[in-house]
Amino acid sequence: AQSVTQPDIHITVSEGASLELRCNYSYGATPYLFWYVQSPGQGLQLLLKYFSGDTLVQGIKGFEAEFKRSQSSFNLRKPSVHWSDAAEYFCAVGAWAGSYQLTFGKGTKLSVIP
Amino acid sequence: EAGVTQFPSHSVIEKGQTVTLRCDPISGHDNLYWYRRVMGKEIKFLLHFVKESKQDESGMPNNRFLAERTGGTYSTLKVQPAELEDSGVYFCASSQPGAGVNTIYFGEGSWLTVV
Repeated sequence: AQSVTQPDIHITVSEGASLELRCNYSYGATPYLFWYVQSPGQGLQLLLKYFSGDTLVQGIKGFEAEFKRSQSSFNLRKPSVHWSDAAEYFCAVGAWAGSYQLTFGKGTKLSVIP
Repeated sequence: EAGVTQFPSHSVIEKGQTVTLRCDPISGHDNLYWYRRVMGKEIKFLLHFVKESKQDESGMPNNRFLAERTGGTYSTLKVQPAELEDSGVYFCASSQPGAGVNTIYFGEGSWLTVV
């Protein structure tokens, strides 16, 4: 069965600093990979996704992620964090398990210091 | 185009009571999913409808949970009787026919607190 690990529960960065959120997955085949964000009191918003092709994918709000098969990783990055980026970020892998399902990591909560 | 809508957005009920959550998917989306995140845990799959049929309900935690999708339009998720550990946020999502996971759209969630 697939699994997703987000090793950092909580990260604090200063506004304007760069950001990298880690995600490792376990899946036997080529995965579909996603990053979602949940702002306080809001739903899940898709930031970006990887299915195939270029391993560096661009998303909304200036985020990007790089798929590294050799490391089973799909880390999320942003060169300069804004205060509005404070939220919880979820990495997910999509796979067939009776039906197409998303398996999520436990999330990383991002705090931004002014 | 309207997104996935969920109702109620917040609900506080007492242990033993019943709560019904509703989800209206995006028009034309045959696939409808329920996920939930209970306190401190990861978001987990509950079940998947294709139109009115349950494609996969392997994630439903126990028989206190009942999901329906009459007519293949909106869906309801009933918890009866609710327990304290049911507290969390329940997400509904939908996607187009044959889309698999690659174009799933989530609603804003229904936040359930059982006291």
